[in-house]
Amino acid sequence: GESVGLHLPTLSVQEGDNSIINCAYSNSASDYFIWYKQESGKGPQFIIDIRSNMDKRQGQRVTVLLNKTVKHLSLQIAATQPGDSAVYFCAENTNAGGTSYGKLTFGQGTILTVHP
Amino acid sequence: GAVVSQHPSWVICKSGTSVKIECRSLDFQATTMFWYRQFPKQSLMLMATSNEGSKATYEQGVEKDKFLINHASLTLSTLTVTSAHPEDSSFYICSAGGTGVGDQPQHFGDGTRLSIL
Repeated sequence: GESVGLHLPTLSVQEGDNSIINCAYSNSASDYFIWYKQESGKGPQFIIDIRSNMDKRQGQRVTVLLNKTVKHLSLQIAATQPGDSAVYFCAENTNAGGTSYGKLTFGQGTILTVHP
Repeated sequence: GAVVSQHPSWVICKSGTSVKIECRSLDFQATTMFWYRQFPKQSLMLMATSNEGSKATYEQGVEKDKFLINHASLTLSTLTVTSAHPEDSSFYICSAGGTGVGDQPQHFGDGTRLSIL
């Protein structure tokens, strides 16, 4: 949903720790979800995605978990590094099959700060 | 591959002027382009969706006469902010989607920071 006028949630971790970033999505018809990383002054960068027929997907140092029952998505980053510091957004795509033509609705975002 | 270039990256102009932002897909054909606006410390809000050769579809609350979108080719879409005012100052981001560009639904540009004095 919209977060006009609100500050983004923050998460501070030490280098080497694991990070978990959470996201609640709004549309039960959404069938495709993506996590993005956004560094200051740049556009979103794709991290990992998951379709609604899965509940877990792993990438390099990242894992996405999907709980459709409670409409919740999480991103786990293992061994967090200072270079992981950024704003992280989840996005949902309510287009059958998750094609390039579907609109993305972005979540509120979380500011991750990794301390050396 | 799948690079989206946005230009300019930063623009400052006086209130009342019009500003044009370009979004180009460099190595693929973008059937659909999306324009987002992002205010500081906030999320990306979709403004409009444009399909090549068609009129853009604007999200609720976005003034189509103020934010003119043109998607005349498969590699270029433009957003023109007409008669810009300080409240239009924001970070504008485009994204592009098309066939044969891998498994990501949209590829994002690096945004344009617009400051209206």
